[in-house]
Amino acid sequence: AQSVAQPEDQVNVAEGNPLTVKCTYSVSGNPYLFWYVQYPNRGLQFLLKYITGDNLVKGSYGFEAEFNKSQTSFHLKKPSALVSDSALYFCAVRDGGSQGNLIFGKGTKLSVKP
Amino acid sequence: DGGITQSPKYLFRKEGQNVTLSCEQNLNHDAMYWYRQDPGQGLRLIYYSQIVNDFQKGDIAEGYSVSREKKESFPLTVTSAQKNPTAFYLCASSPSLNTRRHYGYTFGSGTRLTVV
Repeated sequence: AQSVAQPEDQVNVAEGNPLTVKCTYSVSGNPYLFWYVQYPNRGLQFLLKYITGDNLVKGSYGFEAEFNKSQTSFHLKKPSALVSDSALYFCAVRDGGSQGNLIFGKGTKLSVKP
Repeated sequence: DGGITQSPKYLFRKEGQNVTLSCEQNLNHDAMYWYRQDPGQGLRLIYYSQIVNDFQKGDIAEGYSVSREKKESFPLTVTSAQKNPTAFYLCASSPSLNTRRHYGYTFGSGTRLTVV
């Protein structure tokens, strides 16, 4: 069965420091992986996705994610955090060989302090 | 611009009443979804539909009902049988899973339902 885990409920970083939000997954076939961001009282916004190819994926707002097949991970990163990056981040996975729905992680709250 | 629209943004319900949340999309997406989000919680799937006139229960369908009479519309009714309906409700859509598996979902901006 497909699953995705975000091991940290909250990540705290200082503005200007690099940030990492962790995600690990489990699928039976090749994974399609996604990151979404949610600001308070808003819907989820797409940040980036990995389908195939380069393991480093670049997305919106300066975010990037690194796909690591051996560690079954897809961590979200940004070299220099902004206070405005504070939000709830969701990782999601779909098994490329199935017709199933996206499976979402529980979300990680990112707090960036000035 | 194409998108997905949820209305109303805020909804108040008296106990024992049914209420219907609207979700409309003009993205020509085949599949549509309803999620519930509680404070500090992740997303829980209520219902989904991959094609007109067909829908499937998600993980927490009890106390909810849906219809899919048109491709563009997927309304959610929160019935009086739902004992704890206060939550944030999100609608999403995606292209056909059969042909566009690498696409993600497009989300609406949500409806916050409060029981008064």
